[in-house]
Amino acid sequence: GENVGLHLPTLSVQEGDNSIINCAYSNSASDYFIWYKQESGKGPQFIIDIRSNMDKRQGQRVTVLLNKTVKHLSLQIAATQPGDSAVYFCAENRGNQFYFGTGTSLTVIP
Amino acid sequence: NAGVTQTPKFQVLKTGQSMTLQCAQDMNHEYMSWYRQDPGMGLRLIHYSVGAGITDQGEVPNGYNVSRSTTEDFPLRLLSAAPSQTSVYFCASSYLAGADTQYFGPGTRLTVL
Repeated sequence: GENVGLHLPTLSVQEGDNSIINCAYSNSASDYFIWYKQESGKGPQFIIDIRSNMDKRQGQRVTVLLNKTVKHLSLQIAATQPGDSAVYFCAENRGNQFYFGTGTSLTVIP
Repeated sequence: NAGVTQTPKFQVLKTGQSMTLQCAQDMNHEYMSWYRQDPGMGLRLIHYSVGAGITDQGEVPNGYNVSRSTTEDFPLRLLSAAPSQTSVYFCASSYLAGADTQYFGPGTRLTVL
């Protein structure tokens, strides 16, 4: 498969701290990126997206940063809450296909 | 809107059996896709469709067939199930092909014995 991977498979953070989840991609032709959250037993849920003509996008408590020079994507979650505990995936789009990373498991410690 | 629905939620098959996983969406989305998710791995695209009557292969299409006779439905067929097809299957849809937010169904957990 395509090389869309994550630097760390697991991440533990204290409640209230900020979380940063990283993702590396290898294909510079990718032009659209999405972060998904997946809770146990459920389908992936859209969090935030960013197009290749942007380097930053903010949502509610989340920010996505895109560095095309080093092909790196990150998801920042502010004031992490217990409900944020889940697996987070990045996905990159080329043409009509999406390629997913292997995921990072985020655990929030109360 | 019900969003993206999938049936069944769970299924156990014996090697060689065939079955169809159902997927439907009520959002009038043109793009629909099927993924499989294996433990410790991300989602891998099996097949996708950019509109009724049009389907194409993704990363891992072998052993699966699809059809898109209506905008709403996109069934995935396993012709002769193999243990390697044990996985969780997700259907997704979006307004546009490719560069648009995809909405995922709840998944079908398939075990092939």
